[in-house]
Amino acid sequence: NAGVTQTPKFRVLKTGQSMTLLCAQDMNHEYMYWYRQDPGMGLRLIHYSVGEGTTAKGEVPDGYNVSRLKKQNFLLGLESAAPSQTSVYFCASKEDSNTGELFFGEGSRLTVL
Amino acid sequence: AQSVTQPDIHITVSEGASLELRCNYSYGATPYLFWYVQSPGQGLQLLLKYFSGDTLVQGIKGFEAEFKRSQSSFNLRKPSVHWSDAAEYFCAVRLSGGYNKLIFGAGTRLAVHP
Repeated sequence: NAGVTQTPKFRVLKTGQSMTLLCAQDMNHEYMYWYRQDPGMGLRLIHYSVGEGTTAKGEVPDGYNVSRLKKQNFLLGLESAAPSQTSVYFCASKEDSNTGELFFGEGSRLTVL
Repeated sequence: AQSVTQPDIHITVSEGASLELRCNYSYGATPYLFWYVQSPGQGLQLLLKYFSGDTLVQGIKGFEAEFKRSQSSFNLRKPSVHWSDAAEYFCAVRLSGGYNKLIFGAGTRLAVHP
């Protein structure tokens, strides 16, 4: 019962480096989301996708890009990492239903030095 | 703009005591409301949700929450707290339309004393 899987779980980057976080879900969900979690701020939506090939901006999209080439995968990219992007990143997915709940991955802790 | 406020950043209770975590929302339409729990180093797990109907909803792990439209509140309660309930709790509101995005509160961290 994998659910939502995020890789990697931990990563340390230097300022200016690039990286990609991968989110994979095996529930055939249409909707997928990337959130970042910072102390005292709860979770803030970065980008989301309502289906394969579609993406949209959330509350805090600057400095991030995403792609949804396959329905089960949602990638979050940092082209030039900054210390302000040090955070814990959570991926979530949801079925295309008005009452469906979000299922979360276990998070990816990213540190930018 | 829509928002979710959790007034208490930290709460400490004794094991066996009752618990109430507060949540207020600002949203014009009828909200869809959620409570999630996050244990250290883990993702978020859904405790309960309110969409419509009975304003008192039951969740997992003995939690319940009551929707009060007049107070724009959705407080989480548990009659007797267990040490394993120590975690961070997030209230969230889902926007209808707007592709089902969740807006989260800042969270309340619960500590349980033996």
